Amino acid sequence: DAKTTQPTSMDCAEGRAANLPCNHSTISGNEYVYWYRQIHSQGPQYIIHGLKNNETNEMASLIITEDRKSSTLILPHATLRDTAVYYCIVRVPFGNEKLTFGTGTRLTIIP
Amino acid sequence: GAVVSQHPSWVICKSGTSVKIECRSLDFQATTMFWYRQFPKQSLMLMATSNEGSKATYEQGVEKDKFLINHASLTLSTLTVTSAHPEDSSFYICSARKGTGVRTFGSGTRLTVV
Repeated sequence: DAKTTQPTSMDCAEGRAANLPCNHSTISGNEYVYWYRQIHSQGPQYIIHGLKNNETNEMASLIITEDRKSSTLILPHATLRDTAVYYCIVRVPFGNEKLTFGTGTRLTIIP
Repeated sequence: GAVVSQHPSWVICKSGTSVKIECRSLDFQATTMFWYRQFPKQSLMLMATSNEGSKATYEQGVEKDKFLINHASLTLSTLTVTSAHPEDSSFYICSARKGTGVRTFGSGTRLTVV
């Protein structure tokens, strides 16, 4: 799996959009970008994934640059419940390959 | 869909005893499940890959005789921490895959060995 780089921590005001960046400059052509988050003392939760087109679901939007070397997860209207560690993971989608977690970004939503 | 149930959510045991943690895929079949361990303020570390009907594959540095994994059916994998010691106290999380690439995680088990 390609290596990813994320900021260690970020703060965001409640109600504002939270933009979480991820660098993955060594991503290969068949690797997708996945985002998970882990709220304190819970198991990780899948958020969104994409290959090269921007993606949006009920939780978030994923913006992938044209060269695919970086991406941004956007939480459009952050709430206190979005406080969590967010993990950006790059991997191929098929098979049972192990999922490796980096250190992620600790996002704190400020009231 | 794609719910993974993990039980118990927390357990306290005495040093030297064994503890079993269950991981069930409730609405799908999982030929492969994954077990992670997470120490405070650290990221998840993969311990082993559990394959239905065959032996688990352990990551380097994980003692297979201490962390026994059984994946006897397509919906159940168990992790038994044998002869637990205080240093085994941690947050244990299982995961399974449904479909293409998206992993579903259990809610985790907090093990405290006293």
